[in-house]
Amino acid sequence: DSGVTQTPKHLITATGQRVTLRCSPRSGDLSVYWYQQSLDQGLQFLIQYYNGEERAKGNILERFSAQQFPDLHSELNLSSLELGDSALYFCASSVKGAADTQYFGPGTRLTVL
Amino acid sequence: AQSVTQLGSHVSVSEGALVLLRCNYSSSVPPYLFWYVQYPNQGLQLLLKYTTGATLVKGINGFEAEFKKSETSFHLTKPSAHMSDAAEYFCAVSDDRGSTLGRLYFGRGTQLTVWP
Repeated sequence: DSGVTQTPKHLITATGQRVTLRCSPRSGDLSVYWYQQSLDQGLQFLIQYYNGEERAKGNILERFSAQQFPDLHSELNLSSLELGDSALYFCASSVKGAADTQYFGPGTRLTVL
Repeated sequence: AQSVTQLGSHVSVSEGALVLLRCNYSSSVPPYLFWYVQYPNQGLQLLLKYTTGATLVKGINGFEAEFKKSETSFHLTKPSAHMSDAAEYFCAVSDDRGSTLGRLYFGRGTQLTVWP
């Protein structure tokens, strides 16, 4: 158990819909990262938050947004969903930045029908 | 931009044999390097990492990796494979130096199969 929790574990929805994925980081970790894992693209960095502020953006679509709340949990919002958005979405947390180990949650598997 | 190449999407070894998983990277600055393992239906678990100091890094479950700057490589090895090592392995790199930046860029992964 990494100490990072993600809900829900599975999500099945239809094209055009909007969903919210939730992540609670390990106690004491200030950075939260979101990654997408798909067969086509592999594991891709989406976005990082540090202590409530957006810190870095990767290959995140404009239809996707995220935020980190004062209690440090984070949410990833996916809207106008397309079939190609079906993937495993991981949240990870670390104390601060690159030199610190990122601990990954179990992931949320999103299926868009 | 940094990139990570893992040679061989599938590697098969016999139990007790040497495990060698290859990783090469490109980075404009000396990177931080990581190996993660993913078991079916689970998240990623860190095996080992190189940030600074000794270039031979030891990790969990008997794995080790050596950072070779001249070869831009960070290959993962284990002297003797065990059935429980069967999983997917990911090499990752970060060249972020800001203390609060931490983007990881991953290779496509290598599926390790261990035969009895």
